[in-house]
Order: sequence, then C-alpha cells, then structure tokens
Amino acid sequence: DSGVTQTPKHLITATGQRVTLRCSPRSGDLSVYWYQQSLDQGLQFLIQYYNGEERAKGNILERFSAQQFPDLHSELNLSSLELGDSALYFCASSVEGDARLIYGYTFGSGTRLTVV
Amino acid sequence: AQSVTQLGSHVSVSEGALVLLRCNYSSSVPPYLFWYVQYPNQGLQLLLKYTSAATLVKGINGFEAEFKKSETSFHLTKPSAHMSDAAEYFCAVSPRNSGNTPLVFGKGTRLSVIA
Repeated sequence: DSGVTQTPKHLITATGQRVTLRCSPRSGDLSVYWYQQSLDQGLQFLIQYYNGEERAKGNILERFSAQQFPDLHSELNLSSLELGDSALYFCASSVEGDARLIYGYTFGSGTRLTVV
Repeated sequence: AQSVTQLGSHVSVSEGALVLLRCNYSSSVPPYLFWYVQYPNQGLQLLLKYTSAATLVKGINGFEAEFKKSETSFHLTKPSAHMSDAAEYFCAVSPRNSGNTPLVFGKGTRLSVIA
C-alpha cells in the first residue's frame, strides 16, 4: 500500500457518459497530480493541485475537470466520454517544494477506465 | 520544454544477463532525473533519482543509473536480471529550480526476462 488511494479500480461506461475518479493523497502530502496512461501516449500529465488550488495544467481536455477538497482528496471528472478516453488514470501525491524531488511522487494503483 | 526519450519500447533479456534501459534527456542545463518501475496492475514506484553531483546513482533491487552530461543520458542498468524484474520502466525529468513543475515521463520500456 503506497498510501495513495484511488477509487474505483475499474470503471466501464458508455460513450457520452460522465464519471468521477477519486484520489486520497498520502498523509501529509499537499500536492496531487493526475496522469493519464495510454498505450500510444504513455504517461501524460493532466493537472496538479496544491492545498486546494490548481497549480499546473497539462494536456487536459476541456471535457475533463478536477478539484481538490479541504480534506485534500481530489476528484477528476470526465464528461462526454469518448472511446479514446479509455485509459489508466493515475493519481500521485508529493510534499511541497524541493523536497518532492528528494522523496519523489507516490502513486496510487490507478483507475482503469473503459469506454464502450 | 523538458523531455526524455526512452530508446526501445520493449527489451527482452535472459535471466542472469545484464539489463540496460536507455534514457536521454533534452536540456542544456542538467535536470533532475528519475527512474520509476511499474509492476502489472500497480502504480509507479520510485527506483532511483539523480539530484546531486554524484553521477552514479544506486537504487532499489540492485538497479543503478549513471548520469552522463556529455551524452545527455541517464541509462538504467542491473548486472544480473531476475524474473521479478519484468515490469515497465519509466524515465522522468524535472528541471532544476523548477518550483512545482510536474514530472515529465518518457513513454516507458517494457522489460521481459526469459528463463
């Protein structure tokens, strides 16, 4: 157990639907990162939150959004789903500042999303 | 923008043979570099990192990597492969003095170990 909890582990949904992925960071970590892993694109950074505020944005589609709540858990919302959104979605957490480079990111085990 | 290139999406070695997974970075200033491993159905785990002047970095499970500025490389090696090393390996980069710039990952190299 890495300390980062992601739910659900698997999700199957139809095109056009909306889903919410949840992440609880490791205790003490204020930063949360969302990554999408697909076979052809590898690990793509989507978005980062720090203590409730958006810090950085990557290749995140407009149909996707995220937020981090006061208890530091984060949710990634995916809407108007397309077949191409099928992927593994990872959440990672870290401490702040240069310490994150010393300790690295802690990853959850991911949510596998299948859009049919 | 910082990036890393992993040469070879799939590497296959025999048990007991040398493991060499290649990673090259694109930056004029040496960045921070990382290797992560992903076992089947799991998240990524930190193997090792380069963040200081020591160019040879030792990590977990017998892996090590050498930072070579002249070659802009950070290749991952292990003298003797074990069946349990079969996994996906990712090289990642973060620029120095980057504040909170998120890690950028390579596309990964799948390592197969043949008995």
